[in-house]
Amino acid sequence: AQKITQTQPGMFVQEKEAVTLDCTYDTSDQSYGLFWYKQPSSGEMIFLIYQGSYDEQNATEGRYSLNFQKARKSANLVISASQLGDSAMYFCAMRELNNAGNMLTFGGGTRLMVKP
Amino acid sequence: DGGITQSPKYLFRKEGQNVTLSCEQNLNHDAMYWYRQDPGQGLRLIYYSQIVNDFQKGDIAEGYSVSREKKESFPLTVTSAQKNPTAFYLCASRDSGYSYEQYFGPGTRLTVT
Repeated sequence: AQKITQTQPGMFVQEKEAVTLDCTYDTSDQSYGLFWYKQPSSGEMIFLIYQGSYDEQNATEGRYSLNFQKARKSANLVISASQLGDSAMYFCAMRELNNAGNMLTFGGGTRLMVKP
Repeated sequence: DGGITQSPKYLFRKEGQNVTLSCEQNLNHDAMYWYRQDPGQGLRLIYYSQIVNDFQKGDIAEGYSVSREKKESFPLTVTSAQKNPTAFYLCASRDSGYSYEQYFGPGTRLTVT
C-alpha cells in the first residue's frame, strides 16, 4: 500500500487566491513527522513546512500552513495568497519513528499552476 | 555559504559505462542520502549514510554503490548493472542531532544512451 498519497496530479489556482494541496498517509507508528517540499522547474527541493504527530497546533510558515487531521491521516498544505512564483511541483513526505535512518517516504507530487 | 553541491548538473554516458555522481556538503551534517526521481514521480531512496564509513541500502539500491570516506562527501556510482539509469538524482543531508529536515542539493540529471 502507498504510504503517502497525493491524489491531485495537477491543479490551477488564480493568483492571490488560496489553494489546498491534499496529502493522506498510512502508518502504524504513533510518532512520525510530515513534510512538504516545493520543487521548481530547476529541480531543487525546497523545504516548506513540518508537522510532528504530537504537535497540537497546525504548523504555519508564512503563507504556508498545514491542515493536520490525525484521525483522518491527512496533512494538507494550504497556500494563501498564491503568487506566480508558487508554480511548481509540491511533494508531501513522511518520516516514521521505526526508521533508524530517518528516511523520508515521498508521495507522487502535485503540479500547481498559478494563473495571472 | 553553507549548502550541498552536486556536479555536474547534466551528465551524459554511454550504456555499459559506470558513472559517479558527486555530492559535497559543508553543513557539518552527519547523515546523507541519495534519491532518484523519474519524470512526473516522487523521490525514491537509493542509499543513505548516518555516519562516516557506514551506509545502508534504501528501496532501490540495486545497480548502485556508494562510499562515505569523509563526512562532507557521499558519491554515488551508477553501475552498468542498473537497468534504467536515466533519471534525476538528488543528494540530501540532515543534521542528525538537531532536526528531521533534509536539505537537498540542486540535483544531477543523468542521461544514458
